Amino acid sequence: AQSVTQLDSQVPVFEEAPVELRCNYSSSVSVYLFWYVQYPNQGLQLLLKYLSGSTLVESINGFEAEFNKSQTSFHLRKPSVHISDTAEYFCAVSANSGYSTLTFGKGTMLLVSP
Amino acid sequence: DTGVSQDPRHKITKRGQNVTFRCDPISEHNRLYWYRQTLGQGPEFLTYFQNEAQLEKSRLLSDRFSAERPKGSFSTLEIQRTEQGDSAMYLCASSRGQGLYEQYFGPGTRLTVT
Repeated sequence: AQSVTQLDSQVPVFEEAPVELRCNYSSSVSVYLFWYVQYPNQGLQLLLKYLSGSTLVESINGFEAEFNKSQTSFHLRKPSVHISDTAEYFCAVSANSGYSTLTFGKGTMLLVSP
Repeated sequence: DTGVSQDPRHKITKRGQNVTFRCDPISEHNRLYWYRQTLGQGPEFLTYFQNEAQLEKSRLLSDRFSAERPKGSFSTLEIQRTEQGDSAMYLCASSRGQGLYEQYFGPGTRLTVT
């Protein structure tokens, strides 16, 4: 079984500041890792994913995450946030074996203010 | 490709009543997932279909819950004798094929049991 810990339930930042949303996972098998975003009144959308290869993965809107196997982490970062990045961010993991049941963390609410 | 749709978006019911939710996946997606999300938590896996076959059920899916996917297209999730603890957002997701493919989420059905 897998588990995901998102230590920060809420992260307030000012616009154009850098941000890091933390995610740690636990698993006895190899995993795939994901970050999903949920904007207000919208469904979950995949932001980025790590399947294999380069441990640094990027999204089209400037977010990046780095898979660190030794620290079992997959932290999400952005060097300069915008008001429009205000949303809830969920880290998720699935076992690296066949079909993909996702195990989610509790989520981190990113609040960007001017 | 119109995305995953769910109906209704909101449902208020009295304790003890039965409710049924519908999910229409993206066409040609043969995998369909149900998740439940309560306040302050990430989505939790409930059950999963490959075409019309229900392949896995979480221990969260009590005997009062039943899900179907006739003909491998839309799916229904029924809750019998609802309890206040069933109040949550019920999310549906779909993905294509074997192996690891992105899960696309619907907007969810918010259930309130009074």
